[in-house]
Amino acid sequence: QVQLVQSGAEVKKTGASVKVSCKASGYTFTSYGISWVRQAPGQGLEWMGWINGYNGNTNYAQKLQGRVTMTTDTSTSTAYMELRSLRSDDTAVYYCARASFRTGYDYWGQGTLVTVSS
Amino acid sequence: QSVLTQPPSVSGAPGQRVTISCTGSSSNIGAAYDVHWYQHLPGTAPKLLIYGSSNRPSGVPDRFSGSKSGTSASLAITGLQAEDEADYYCQSYDSSLSGYVFGTGTKVAVL
Repeated sequence: QVQLVQSGAEVKKTGASVKVSCKASGYTFTSYGISWVRQAPGQGLEWMGWINGYNGNTNYAQKLQGRVTMTTDTSTSTAYMELRSLRSDDTAVYYCARASFRTGYDYWGQGTLVTVSS
Repeated sequence: QSVLTQPPSVSGAPGQRVTISCTGSSSNIGAAYDVHWYQHLPGTAPKLLIYGSSNRPSGVPDRFSGSKSGTSASLAITGLQAEDEADYYCQSYDSSLSGYVFGTGTKVAVL
């Protein structure tokens, strides 16, 4: 069965960086993309970006350009999302999801809480 | 603020039908990009309900249906059940932003 397992909760200081992992299993990793979505407390879902699981091509949300980097390690079927220069409003639950342009995000990780404080 | 606008909340009694609108523009829904819908319960991962505007993944009850017309899309829930209380989000691609966007989200309450 398809599973996406994310790394554990993180607490970071303002200005620091965080790197969240998402290990996929149960499907051919290179046949799908991985998207990252976050939800800040009391807010809606926010699309952060997408990475092609086959060739590593990326597309980031404009508001995060320059602060976010998404990568994959196909040898371990793991996707990574690094966010730099953290601010308090980056406090959120971060999700990875298996992404298909045609069929949407059909499998999701369990979420990773990232807390940013001074 | 998202480019896809949803009503903040809708409600209905058990067994009733409710609809959630998702209003976009010519750079997203109106440009014929696919619309997907997700159900999100607090503390859990979102769940894909509808893909490609009107298709249900296996395992999603046929009480959930989606449609699209012009620059808007809709999600309908018939035979409303207590377990349907959740937040619902539409999603599409936006060519002006060159990326995907989620709608503002709608909280469904079962009275």
